Amino acid sequence: GAGVSQSPRYKVAKRGQDVALRCDPISGHVSLFWYQQALGQGPEFLTYFQNEAQLDKSGLPSDRFFAERPEGSVSTLKIQRTQQEDSAVYLCASSLRLGGTQYFGPGTRLLVL
Amino acid sequence: TQLLEQSPQFLSIQEGENLTVYCNSSSVFSSLQWYRQEPGEGPVLLVTVVTGGEVKKLKRLTFQFGDARKDSSLHITAAQPGDTGLYLCAGDPHSQGGSEKLVFGKGTKLTVNP
Repeated sequence: GAGVSQSPRYKVAKRGQDVALRCDPISGHVSLFWYQQALGQGPEFLTYFQNEAQLDKSGLPSDRFFAERPEGSVSTLKIQRTQQEDSAVYLCASSLRLGGTQYFGPGTRLLVL
Repeated sequence: TQLLEQSPQFLSIQEGENLTVYCNSSSVFSSLQWYRQEPGEGPVLLVTVVTGGEVKKLKRLTFQFGDARKDSSLHITAAQPGDTGLYLCAGDPHSQGGSEKLVFGKGTKLTVNP
């Protein structure tokens, strides 16, 4: 069966550009999570959804970061006016239910020049 | 402040050697998880430990959860080059069970040389 997929896998942006990162969770998975992983670090929580409801966005580093999951399936993480410090791997994970095992996608590697 | 401290940060060993990596915290966790991450991929769950003092074995990997549920260790016996990767511990200190949003350690980057 298909796992979590993310696109694009790599994104190079000029400072100040807006970017949109897509996550396709495993079909039927209710919970969806976004994490940011800087080079040499472990992933850090950004936000999570249960179906279409964004239950926690406490990890979003600034108001330039916005996530949505309008139909409770695909999710998009948008970063406006990208800065160099936004360069990282953005990981998406989904789980069948809240509290269940999280399955991670391969990540989108974002490089802001 | 890092909620989960992992050590060592880097480890390079020869095939056949044994090794232990540690995950420590000042907070109590209802459960801790160990993940392995390879370059260009997302973390893959290896095991979840839930009960204080619990020991779980997965082939050559042995996982232990501390009695106070504040620390965990991963021991690999007779390491092989295929064990190379980034080992991450993670948990949610606020949940009653299972994982919601996870807090990760910085990871231990293991290299096993043939």
